[in-house]
Amino acid sequence: DTEVTQTPKHLVMGMTNKKSLKCEQHMGHRAMYWYKQKAKKPPELMFVYSYEKLSINESVPSRFSPECPNSSLLNLHLHALQPEDSALYLCASSDDRNSYEQYFGPGTRLTVT
Amino acid sequence: KQEVTQIPAALSVPEGENLVLNCSFTDSAIYNLQWFRQDPGKGLTSLLLIQSSQREQTSGRLNASLDKSSGRSTLYIAASQPGDSATYLCAVRRGYTGANSKLTFGKGITLSVRP
Repeated sequence: DTEVTQTPKHLVMGMTNKKSLKCEQHMGHRAMYWYKQKAKKPPELMFVYSYEKLSINESVPSRFSPECPNSSLLNLHLHALQPEDSALYLCASSDDRNSYEQYFGPGTRLTVT
Repeated sequence: KQEVTQIPAALSVPEGENLVLNCSFTDSAIYNLQWFRQDPGKGLTSLLLIQSSQREQTSGRLNASLDKSSGRSTLYIAASQPGDSATYLCAVRRGYTGANSKLTFGKGITLSVRP
């Protein structure tokens, strides 16, 4: 099973709301990633967790707060977002003991109003 | 700084044609290269992964090659079908830990296969 799941599929939130995106994988991968993708652009890396520890933060604004509760789960907490944060948010995981191949989830389409 | 280029940005071909998608990168010190497919509004699907020590990988009608010394990879699609219409992205990984684990993506090639 090479599946990464993400919930919700779509999210509309106001600029004062607090919401969370969730990502789950059961492939035993110990590296998990959050990406942001705008229309007709490649994904941009936001955060990397390795063995449940934050290893890369690509200077993301503090209104995005990642969390890795365990090796299978990754959350992205959202607070006080701006309309320009509207995008497709993608989660990925990779087997960083063998092939290092990255597997992506279907994404959450976020609209900030 | 690694730069990945995919040209052209868009390609339209008739069904049944064999086609080649190109990817070039500026720094040959890569760990692996991955080809992805993305349908509109969807996530990325991994098609093929080539390790730096490999020259090619095959999966069904797809064949990906890697020439590290020249900084090039190609994705060959045999007997294209309308269902192959999507955006194809290549991405390179420099290493296996820390900042080197990041993928550098090309901007993608949007392929349209006409029936």
